[in-house]
Amino acid sequence: GAGVSQSPRYKVAKRGQDVALRCDPISGHVSLFWYQQALGQGPEFLTYFQNEAQLDKSGLPSDRFFAERPEGSVSTLKIQRTQQEDSAVYLCASSLAYGANTEAFFGQGTRLTVV
Amino acid sequence: DQQVKQNSPSLSVQEGRISILNCDYTNSMFDYFLWYKKYPAEGPTFLISISSIKDKNEDGRFTVFLNKSAKHLSLHIVPSQPGDSAVYFCAASGYSGGGADGLTFGKGTHLIIQP
Repeated sequence: GAGVSQSPRYKVAKRGQDVALRCDPISGHVSLFWYQQALGQGPEFLTYFQNEAQLDKSGLPSDRFFAERPEGSVSTLKIQRTQQEDSAVYLCASSLAYGANTEAFFGQGTRLTVV
Repeated sequence: DQQVKQNSPSLSVQEGRISILNCDYTNSMFDYFLWYKKYPAEGPTFLISISSIKDKNEDGRFTVFLNKSAKHLSLHIVPSQPGDSAVYFCAASGYSGGGADGLTFGKGTHLIIQP
């Protein structure tokens, strides 16, 4: 596809359940970012990949959050033992260049609701 | 502590007039600023950016102004059109003490263009 694709679009999880969110970036984009957007807030940075290397994971809120991009393309954000405060829209973005000082293309996001 | 602030949650402007969206930041290490536009149920889309070495950048109807001494930037849309109705996010990058490779976003301003 032409843009960043995220799946699923919507996910309802019971508290304590593990979830996996997928991101297919634009082909050839070296940079990949994950953001968390709570209701009424702006996106908050979670983690950054340059190809397959996770260069920054300082935004991950706890050790229940884990992200990977093993072959430098598709990325998965995993949340273990979900809590209600994890409810948010999770946005993935990719860019052709390195780092954040560049136009990044966002996917539509995955809306996670923990009940 | 919010490092990027958009103090107007919403703004209503008559079609054809100028829309001015404001953004303030606190971290003097930010060196690159971007504006994103977001429609409901879609991911943010890049609009325009400016480097800290400039004070103005123009792209068609959109102009971003940067006042480094005041740590303030603004987005001007002239003339405003109905399709401009969306949430606009201001974002900054550079060393932020945390996610050095990610963007720091404001909470957004909902722009409503009245016919």
